[in-house]
Amino acid sequence: KQEVTQIPAALSVPEGENLVLNCSFTDSAIYNLQWFRQDPGKGLTSLLLIQSSQREQTSGRLNASLDKSSGRSTLYIAASQPGDSATYLCAVLGSSNTGKLIFGQGTTLQVKP
Amino acid sequence: GAVVSQHPSWVICKSGTSVKIECRSLDFQATTMFWYRQFPKQSLMLMATSNEGSKATYEQGVEKDKFLINHASLTLSTLTVTSAHPEDSSFYICSATSGYNEQFFGPGTRLTVL
Repeated sequence: KQEVTQIPAALSVPEGENLVLNCSFTDSAIYNLQWFRQDPGKGLTSLLLIQSSQREQTSGRLNASLDKSSGRSTLYIAASQPGDSATYLCAVLGSSNTGKLIFGQGTTLQVKP
Repeated sequence: GAVVSQHPSWVICKSGTSVKIECRSLDFQATTMFWYRQFPKQSLMLMATSNEGSKATYEQGVEKDKFLINHASLTLSTLTVTSAHPEDSSFYICSATSGYNEQFFGPGTRLTVL
């Protein structure tokens, strides 16, 4: 059974810092991995999707890496801003083609001005 | 990206009533829709998978007679919480996909049962 873990559960940093969020998964047989952002009381915003054959994806100040063999992904946020404050969720799509996303518990980020 | 809407965005109802939540894919045809619920400070929990024109597949522990799902068209799925009780209060989120590669999420519906 696939399990997804995110560390840390919460993170508080001053504005301008570069930071790394971690995601690990127990079954390396994945189709893809996705990082989402969720603001309080809101739905999910997709940030980056990495296919199993890819090593990383970049969008603006965000960079996500994937090491499938070790079951790890990281989300790197450069030059953090107060507007980056949110909960970040990673989710994996298994290669069994059921379409089910398995989510981690999320990392709640606070960027202080 | 593809757009998924949910209606209503929030609803308050009395215990014992039924509530229907709609999930629509606005600019693509969704062969599959997923329904999740999220309790405060917790992650999303998949409730069921809904394929157009067929019965939904429920996850273990989710009562199919309690949470009725209908996926009558390629752009609309509905979740009906029957005889709602306070413990059903939660944030319900749907997602839609035209394949199994990427899911697009709706903005969620906040249900409060008094």
